Formats: sequence, structure tokens, C-alpha cells
Amino acid sequence: AQKITQTQPGMFVQEKEAVTLDCTYDTSDQSYGLFWYKQPSSGEMIFLIYQGSYDEQNATEGRYSLNFQKARKSANLVISASQLGDSAMYFCAMREGPGGGADGLTFGKGTHLIIQP
Amino acid sequence: DTGVSQNPRHKITKRGQNVTFRCDPISEHNRLYWYRQTLGQGPEFLTYFQNEAQLEKSRLLSDRFSAERPKGSFSTLEIQRTEQGDSAMYLCASTAGGYNEQFFGPGTRLTVL
Repeated sequence: AQKITQTQPGMFVQEKEAVTLDCTYDTSDQSYGLFWYKQPSSGEMIFLIYQGSYDEQNATEGRYSLNFQKARKSANLVISASQLGDSAMYFCAMREGPGGGADGLTFGKGTHLIIQP
Repeated sequence: DTGVSQNPRHKITKRGQNVTFRCDPISEHNRLYWYRQTLGQGPEFLTYFQNEAQLEKSRLLSDRFSAERPKGSFSTLEIQRTEQGDSAMYLCASTAGGYNEQFFGPGTRLTVL
């Protein structure tokens, strides 16, 4: 079974609208971390936001927020007031086990987001 | 620039040749990771170093792949007897205690002809 599932291969969104990118995960660990990265056409992976499995509040970073629903095993990324520069591939990723960065990340296949003017 | 750097950025080689990539992590980051990303896919974990010790290796890392991190600073990833299926972007990331996120370099794009 896929550990990270991103069901939206591509999305078109009008500029200034909010967008939700879906991510579901599968793990039997109690302690894990969830990440979202952005990859523009230039190729670099840009960290956006992190949610720990024990964090009670949804993570927020500027225009990015993570809608964490633990019982559903979902970790959707919400981008408010989208901008043209948000056009990129977006990857959801998971680290299983306790924190500290000791484990490699498992990535989903990504969602290609295109913001239209 | 104090980010993760990788060299070369692009490498074209013929099947059967050996190639070596280098990653320089962010200064004082003791953890270093290698990932491989093929077209249309997310990155796949290859291996992980804590300081100079290689602590984790993926099943994707066949015997033709070897990685080192002498002195716990920069790391090299060598692929011997390259195959066309090795064509991919090879990404390096680093982090340190106190951080959750991994900081990625720009990657090395390998094309095997």
C-alpha cells in the first residue's frame, strides 16, 4: 500500500482563490511527522510546513496551513489567496518514528498546481 | 550562499561508465540524506548519514551504488556501471538536531545514454 497518497495529479486555480491540496498517509507508528514541499520548475525542493503527530493545533506558516485530521489520516495543505508564483509541484511527505530528522522521508507522487490569472 | 550545494548540476554519461556526485551540506548539519527523483515522481529515499556513519540504506540502493561521508562533512554518491534506468535527479538534503525539516540542494541531473 502507498504510504503517501496524493489523489490530484493536477489542479487549475484562479489567482487569489484559496486552494486545498489533498494528502492521505498510512502508518502504524504513533510518532510521525508530515511535511509539504514545493518544487518549482527550477527543481529545488522548498520546505513549506510541518505537522507532528502529537501536535494538537494545525500548523500554519504565512499563507500555508495544514489541515491535520489524525483519525482520517489526512494532512491537506491549504494555500490562501493564491498567487501566480504558487504554480509548482507540491509534495506531501512523511517521516515515521520519533523526531530529530533521523529517518528518510517518504514522498507522494505530487500535485501539479497551476495558478491562472 | 549557505544552503546545500551539489556538483555537478548536470551529468551526461554513457551506459557502463562510473559517475560520482558531491553534496556539501549546510555547515554544522550532522545529518545528510540522498534521494533519487525520476520524472513525474516524488523523491525516493536512498541513504542517510549521521556525521560520518551511514545509518540507513534503502533497498533501492543496489550494489552498484555507494555513498560516503568522510569526516562527516561533504558526501559523495558513486554509481558504477551506469544503466539507463539510473537516469534521474539525485537530491541531497541536510538537517540537524532541533530541526524537523530537511533542507534540499538543487540536485544533480543524471542522463545515461
